[in-house]
Amino acid sequence: AQKVTQAQTEISVVEKEDVTLDCVYETRDTTYYLFWYKQPPSGELVFLIRRNSFDEQNEISGRYSWNFQKSTSSFNFTITASQVVDSAVYFCALSEASTGGGNKLTFGTGTQLKVEL
Amino acid sequence: DAMVIQNPRYQVTQFGKPVTLSCSQTLNHNVMYWYQQKSSQAPKLLFHYYDKDFNNEADTPDNFQSRRPNTSFCFLDIRSPGLGDAAMYLCATSREGFLVSYNEQFFGPGTRLTVL
Repeated sequence: AQKVTQAQTEISVVEKEDVTLDCVYETRDTTYYLFWYKQPPSGELVFLIRRNSFDEQNEISGRYSWNFQKSTSSFNFTITASQVVDSAVYFCALSEASTGGGNKLTFGTGTQLKVEL
Repeated sequence: DAMVIQNPRYQVTQFGKPVTLSCSQTLNHNVMYWYQQKSSQAPKLLFHYYDKDFNNEADTPDNFQSRRPNTSFCFLDIRSPGLGDAAMYLCATSREGFLVSYNEQFFGPGTRLTVL
């Protein structure tokens, strides 16, 4: 069975600090995809990134960066120079093919990030 | 803007009184999903439609049903809501081809259900 672990339940930082959210996954599939989603207080899950198991290149998008390491089954997310608007719950998710089509996301339990002035 | 819309945003129902939540999308995606998210927990997939084909998760209670009358709309019916069904219900869509491509899912804002 697939599993995603986000060990950090809650992180508090002061604005402009860098912060890393950890994600560790378990799967027996050789082909899989990993995702990060942001859930602000409004409730909508916002897609941030999708990465396939064959692409271990790190990715940077503005203040966001992701570090994917298959050797440690980790897909960590770093926010540089955090801002108050980054306050949200962040979910890491692992995708597997679902019988009948579509893809099934297994979510971690989420990390609540609080950025304070 | 193309999007996933959920109505209503907040729904209050009484214990045992049937309730229907709705989801519509302008993305023209062929797959639609329903998730249940209880307070401080991860979203949990209830079921999904691949085109017109319904796919139920093994642990989804029979109390939960779904309908997809066309590509754009999908409904979640809770036949007899219990107190334990109070949660945020999230609708999502994705575009998948014949071979699953694990595309990202786009989520609606959710409907928060309260059961009195």
